[in-house]
Amino acid sequence: EPEVTQTPSHQVTQMGQEVILRCVPISNHLYFYWYRQILGQKVEFLVSFYNNEISEKSEIFDDQFSVERPDGSNFTLKIRSTKLEDSAMYFCATLSPGQGYTGELFFGEGSRLTVL
Amino acid sequence: RKEVEQDPGPFNVPEGATVAFNCTYSNSASQSFFWYRQDCRKEPKLLMSVYSSGNEDGRFTAQLNRASQYISLLIRDSKLSDSATYLCVVNTGTASKLTFGTGTRLQVTL
Repeated sequence: EPEVTQTPSHQVTQMGQEVILRCVPISNHLYFYWYRQILGQKVEFLVSFYNNEISEKSEIFDDQFSVERPDGSNFTLKIRSTKLEDSAMYFCATLSPGQGYTGELFFGEGSRLTVL
Repeated sequence: RKEVEQDPGPFNVPEGATVAFNCTYSNSASQSFFWYRQDCRKEPKLLMSVYSSGNEDGRFTAQLNRASQYISLLIRDSKLSDSATYLCVVNTGTASKLTFGTGTRLQVTL
């Protein structure tokens, strides 16, 4: 079964450092998402990306965050200057085309970010 | 009012029991509804979509009441492997954004 892969699985960083989280979407999927989940809290939408541009973003996704698809395969989330409150599990998800919006997002296993 | 509200539980039930989870949503324009399952420290996985007519998948039955903005999930004959957090998820009609509830934790015991 095709899957979404994310790297790194866990990253520890110092406050103020830049972090890049990487995702390899399922190959024929066209919609890409980043969600995050702070420990013990709900899964929160960050941003969606379609046709090489952001289609929607949440209030969480401020100027410290950016996404890009630099090489047509990887989909990255960059946090420019990390804060303690950025510590969370970050999930990449993709949506299959041609089904209408069924809601079956395929999630990667997540990247756990710990900011010290 | 929270966009998607669930009882966090935990629900502790013995194997073989029937358990029901409820969820309410605040946006009447919501168009698609889902139950996802999340195991501890794992990614969410789609359990089932929820349709107005109600739908069943094996031991799982989902119901939607648009008038009351209410969604339910019924699990019959609970198994130990059903222990997880069940996430109520709502889409307001774009392909861009799912809104998750906080989840209801289920623990099935021997």
